[in-house]
Amino acid sequence: NAGVTQTPKFRVLKTGQSMTLLCAQDMNHEYMYWYRQDPGMGLRLIHYSVGEGTTAKGEVPDGYNVSRLKKQNFLLGLESAAPSQTSVYFCASSSPPVLAGGTGELFFGEGSRLTVL
Amino acid sequence: RKEVEQDPGPFNVPEGATVAFNCTYSNSASQSFFWYRQDCRKEPKLLMSVYSSGNEDGRFTAQLNRASQYISLLIRDSKLSDSATYLCVVNGGDSYGQNFVFGPGTRLSVLP
Repeated sequence: NAGVTQTPKFRVLKTGQSMTLLCAQDMNHEYMYWYRQDPGMGLRLIHYSVGEGTTAKGEVPDGYNVSRLKKQNFLLGLESAAPSQTSVYFCASSSPPVLAGGTGELFFGEGSRLTVL
Repeated sequence: RKEVEQDPGPFNVPEGATVAFNCTYSNSASQSFFWYRQDCRKEPKLLMSVYSSGNEDGRFTAQLNRASQYISLLIRDSKLSDSATYLCVVNGGDSYGQNFVFGPGTRLSVLP
């Protein structure tokens, strides 16, 4: 019963390095999201996708890129990491909204802890 | 004004106590409402969806007041295992119907 799976769980980067976080979900959800969580800031939306081949910017998109080539996968890329991107990153997918017959519930991955030195 | 606001906390209560959390939201078009629980260094997990009629799940009761744009969570007979941060989450209902806004969370510590 995997749900939402994120890899890697931990990563340390040097400033300027690039990396990709992978998110996979097995619930056939259309909507997927990338959030970052920082102490005292709560969860902030980076990018989201409403279906295969689509992506959109969230609240804090600068410095990140995303791709949704397959419905089950949502990739988050950092092209040139900065210390300000040190954070915990959560991927999530959501069931259809209530008006569409779903529960509208968000399901989260376990998180990826990124440190940029 | 922030879109979703919660009691600042932290709440430190003895085992067996009843504790209430409050949440207000600013978007009157919001469609879905949730309480999530987040343990330290873990992902948020759904505790309860919140319905207009109010709903109860064991020791937990959630209420929604759309007119006042207010959501509450009541925990009765607190257990040590209830210690966590409680997040109020509101679905803002944009054109895609999937615009989740998170409150900053309220931390609860249940003490022996």
